[in-house]
Amino acid sequence: GAGVSQSPSNKVTEKGKDVELRCDPISGHTALYWYRQSLGQGLEFLIYFQGNSAPDKSGLPSDRFSAERTGGSVSTLTIQRTQQEDSAVYLCASSLGEGQPQHFGDGTRLSIL
Amino acid sequence: SQQGEEDPQALSIQEGENATMNCSYKTSINNLQWYRQNSGRGLVHLILIRSNEREKHSGRLRVTLDTSKKSSSLLITASRAADTASYFCATDRGYSSASKIIFGSGTRLSIRP
Repeated sequence: GAGVSQSPSNKVTEKGKDVELRCDPISGHTALYWYRQSLGQGLEFLIYFQGNSAPDKSGLPSDRFSAERTGGSVSTLTIQRTQQEDSAVYLCASSLGEGQPQHFGDGTRLSIL
Repeated sequence: SQQGEEDPQALSIQEGENATMNCSYKTSINNLQWYRQNSGRGLVHLILIRSNEREKHSGRLRVTLDTSKKSSSLLITASRAADTASYFCATDRGYSSASKIIFGSGTRLSIRP
């Protein structure tokens, strides 16, 4: 489809393992965002990519979290040495640029046992 | 503290009634956006209102913005069962280097048949 695609849709892993979450944005969207949403809560900003500029990583909660965006398209969010408090839904969004409406994927539900 | 705060946190109304949700924020903004989230899904953009606009309409949705009070409201007229969802406001502070959009915690709207 033409929307934002995230994979996997669900991920269950043991504490201490590393996980990779993938986001395929809408073609042509230069801006890409990662958010975290805990149950019944709002969205917590994690990281923002805009074109070829250096990403805004100010929302990453610890150095266990990292993200990259290859070729200005697909993005991967990596969480190393997962902890139980990392359990949440991780949402990716893309937009045509700064200040433009964001288009969201359905998220990856991450559960850390 | 949250840049955008919605109230009420939860709202239950009868089908056909109007629903009003409010959003307050703290700092100056470039624009304010409203999103809807159905359970288990990503967010869907509803409407964007710029800081120099006071009111916008889209179908059964009406959004107002009062920058002097740093508040916005979302009105859904003639509510339907399909309007049951969480509604979030998002403020865009329009940083020149990293335009982060800050989401509130949302209003959970339930429409009773």
